[in-house]
Amino acid sequence: GQQVMQIPQYQHVQEGEDFTTYCNSSTTLSNIQWYKQRPGGHPVFLIQLVKSGEVKKQKRLTFQFGEAKKNSSLHITATQTTDVGTYFCADGRTGGGADGLTFGKGTHLIIQP
Amino acid sequence: KAGVTQTPRYLIKTRGQQVTLSCSPISGHRSVSWYQQTPGQGLQFLFEYFSETQRNKGNFPGRFSGRQFSNSRSEMNVSTLELGDSALYLCASSNNGRTEAFFGQGTRLTVV
Repeated sequence: GQQVMQIPQYQHVQEGEDFTTYCNSSTTLSNIQWYKQRPGGHPVFLIQLVKSGEVKKQKRLTFQFGEAKKNSSLHITATQTTDVGTYFCADGRTGGGADGLTFGKGTHLIIQP
Repeated sequence: KAGVTQTPRYLIKTRGQQVTLSCSPISGHRSVSWYQQTPGQGLQFLFEYFSETQRNKGNFPGRFSGRQFSNSRSEMNVSTLELGDSALYLCASSNNGRTEAFFGQGTRLTVV
């Protein structure tokens, strides 16, 4: 089945520093979704990217979808303690009986005050 | 709107037993998916139900099964529990299974 690789697995940053997590697939993705899971919580949907080269922003978060639709990134500017958690990318379902969401292993963001 | 509700939140079972977990999706959502989350394997897709029909299935043994009722509520069952089944089981609902998924709080299953 399709696999989505996500790096890094862990990222320690000082509060105020930037953070980026990367997601890569060996095959073309129809779309990609990003989720955040706080410690002890459940995944919460952040965004879905569909178009090649798409860039979307949510306040300090910037999401990109690669031109070939095989990679994506999430960048957080000036991290805050509220950003702590695990960020997952997920291969969005293609429709027509495709598999469920295929998640990357996630990037654990640890912020040191 | 109420969110996705999963019951119970915590469960301890003995090897060899069976367990049933319940999920009530967001009102109006007809697609319910189940995921297993473990530290080693991450989030893995179990199956998806849409309008009472299993539409997709992940790569799990037949001991894992599920069903969906006419009100879109879903249950998943694990028979002959093994220690390795200890995990957080997450249910997610969506409008049609093709868009964003809304996750429940999960059921933490511990098999001893």
